[in-house]
Amino acid sequence: EDKVVQSPLSLVVHEGDTVTLNCSYEVTNFRSLLWYKQEKKAPTFLFMLTSSGIEKKSGRLSSILDKKELFSILNITATQTGDSAIYLCAVGTGTASKLTFGTGTRLQVML
Amino acid sequence: EAGVAQSPRYKIIEKRQSVAFWCNPISGHATLYWYQQILGQGPKLLIQFQNNGVVDDSQLPKDRFSAERLKGVDSTLKIQPAKLEDSAVYLCASSATGTSHEQYFGPGTRLTVT
Repeated sequence: EDKVVQSPLSLVVHEGDTVTLNCSYEVTNFRSLLWYKQEKKAPTFLFMLTSSGIEKKSGRLSSILDKKELFSILNITATQTGDSAIYLCAVGTGTASKLTFGTGTRLQVML
Repeated sequence: EAGVAQSPRYKIIEKRQSVAFWCNPISGHATLYWYQQILGQGPKLLIQFQNNGVVDDSQLPKDRFSAERLKGVDSTLKIQPAKLEDSAVYLCASSATGTSHEQYFGPGTRLTVT
């Protein structure tokens, strides 16, 4: 059975801090790893990673994948209260675009 | 570009009643997904459609859940009869092709079964 594990489960930081969220996986027929941000209900797409060692960056967010060690990290620098959300990691497998999600990391950024 | 549309946004029903959810994907997206997200968990795939055909429904509880996408565009998900453990957010997502993992989600329907 495909498995995606995220850590920590929850995190409370102050504005301006830098955070690192972790995602490890054990799946069959890996194709891609995706990060989503979920604030209210709808997860919104952040990154899709398919190659090891190539960092993807969007503003204060960045992510990298290690296909040898089977994990990814999501970094957020200079956190703001608007970054408070659940961050979901999902792994895409097979040829039919199936995604398996982790349970998410709940990030709370305080003033 | 309009996003994925879902309705209703909230629904409260009693156990053993039936309920239906509607989803309209992003225009031109061939693949449509229904997920169930129980509080504190990540979304779990219930069913995946490619156009109007089912690609994967291995995790759909077929004794009570059904879904259709008759014209290859919008879709409905039905639960009949509902159980307490069906309380969750039901998310619809779409992707441009059946081989792309980049999925776009709708706002979801929060179902409470009492």
